[in-house]
Amino acid sequence: GQNIDQPTEMTATEGAIVQINCTYQTSGFNGLFWYQQHAGEAPTFLSYNVLDGLEEKGRFSSFLSRSKGYSYLLLKELQMKDSASYLCAARFFGGGGGNKLTFGTGTQLKVEL
Amino acid sequence: GAVVSQHPSRVICKSGTSVKIECRSLDFQATTMFWYRQFPKQSLMLMATSNEGSKATYEQGVEKDKFLINHASLTLSTLTVTSAHPEDSSFYICSARETGGAKNIQYFGAGTRLSVL
Repeated sequence: GQNIDQPTEMTATEGAIVQINCTYQTSGFNGLFWYQQHAGEAPTFLSYNVLDGLEEKGRFSSFLSRSKGYSYLLLKELQMKDSASYLCAARFFGGGGGNKLTFGTGTQLKVEL
Repeated sequence: GAVVSQHPSRVICKSGTSVKIECRSLDFQATTMFWYRQFPKQSLMLMATSNEGSKATYEQGVEKDKFLINHASLTLSTLTVTSAHPEDSSFYICSARETGGAKNIQYFGAGTRLSVL
């Protein structure tokens, strides 16, 4: 299988930093994506990692360790508008459609005052 | 980022009718598009992969005769829910992958909320 595991929900304080972890099975792995999804809306692309290391993009950073099958999304200086579901998605080689994304169940982040 | 347009955003229909949902990549070409279904508080479940000029590839358990997919051009894919029933009520989201893009990022449409009465 290609199970993607991430926490179901997290709560953090406005202005703080939060780290959302994601683990996946390494066989056939070909890239890790993070998306943000507000309720009733489509996911929006946040980040992409395929090599080990940290990718920084403004207040958001994403880290990948291929050998450990592990990634995290780091959100700094949290704002109320960051309250959303964060989806971890891994791409794997092959399959009938070729290089499909498999999504985790999403981590519902609640930012409080 | 790239823009994917999905229409309609919401549709309410009677049981037994068919509903067509369009997905367009507005500023890039997409050889491959994907159709997902999402139930409340659950993640996206891939229904099928739509390939321009060829038959779609359906995931296990998805009825191809029920969910008809047509990908007639590099910028348009359609999903038709045939003879819709209340259990088909869900949030349907399309996604397009830019042809030749270095990262093969998938961009999502805004989704279509289907309610079958």
